[in-house]
Amino acid sequence: GQNIDQPTEMTATEGAIVQINCTYQTSGFNGLFWYQQHAGEAPTFLSYNVLDGLEEKGRFSSFLSRSKGYSYLLLKELQMKDSASYLCAVREDTDKLIFGTGTRLQVFP
Amino acid sequence: GAGVSQSPSNKVTEKGKDVELRCDPISGHTALYWYRQSLGQGLEFLIYFQGNSAPDKSGLPSDRFSAERTGGSVSTLTIQRTQQEDSAVYLCASSLVVGFQETQYFGPGTRLLVL
Repeated sequence: GQNIDQPTEMTATEGAIVQINCTYQTSGFNGLFWYQQHAGEAPTFLSYNVLDGLEEKGRFSSFLSRSKGYSYLLLKELQMKDSASYLCAVREDTDKLIFGTGTRLQVFP
Repeated sequence: GAGVSQSPSNKVTEKGKDVELRCDPISGHTALYWYRQSLGQGLEFLIYFQGNSAPDKSGLPSDRFSAERTGGSVSTLTIQRTQQEDSAVYLCASSLVVGFQETQYFGPGTRLLVL
């Protein structure tokens, strides 16, 4: 069956590093997305991985291992504005996207 | 340049009426997505258009939902005989696909309330 797992909640301190994990079991694989969503706002695209390895974009990096069905989003030098929900989604062979339930990150001063 | 736009921004309708939601993607973006987010819920994928390929409609919640993308640009999501459970924010996103890289941009969404 289809399943995307990510932690429900995480907390971290301003200036720290946090890693949000996502494991998946889907019908085929055609890419993995990470999004950020602040309460009451539309999501913002963060990253897309379809090949194994690490993609770095400023303070945010995303990693993918297709053989392990595993990805993580790494946030460095955390800021208060990084408090948000982080959504992991996998695109299956049919191009349908399956979403995880999201990880709510709270950053404390 | 202009981002993804959606109209209307808010829509209140009566149960049983049809509604049409519009999405104008970023010019040149070949991929277009529709999502739905009910209050307090996660993001739900509805449908994806890529170029001229026929979309996979299996994400649409029921046969009351249909979507079109004319000329590879503007897309409309139509909900027939609306039900109260259709109340949600409907989000559109377009993306530019270059090789193995894809960057996706969301519109502001349409808030639909079915009374």
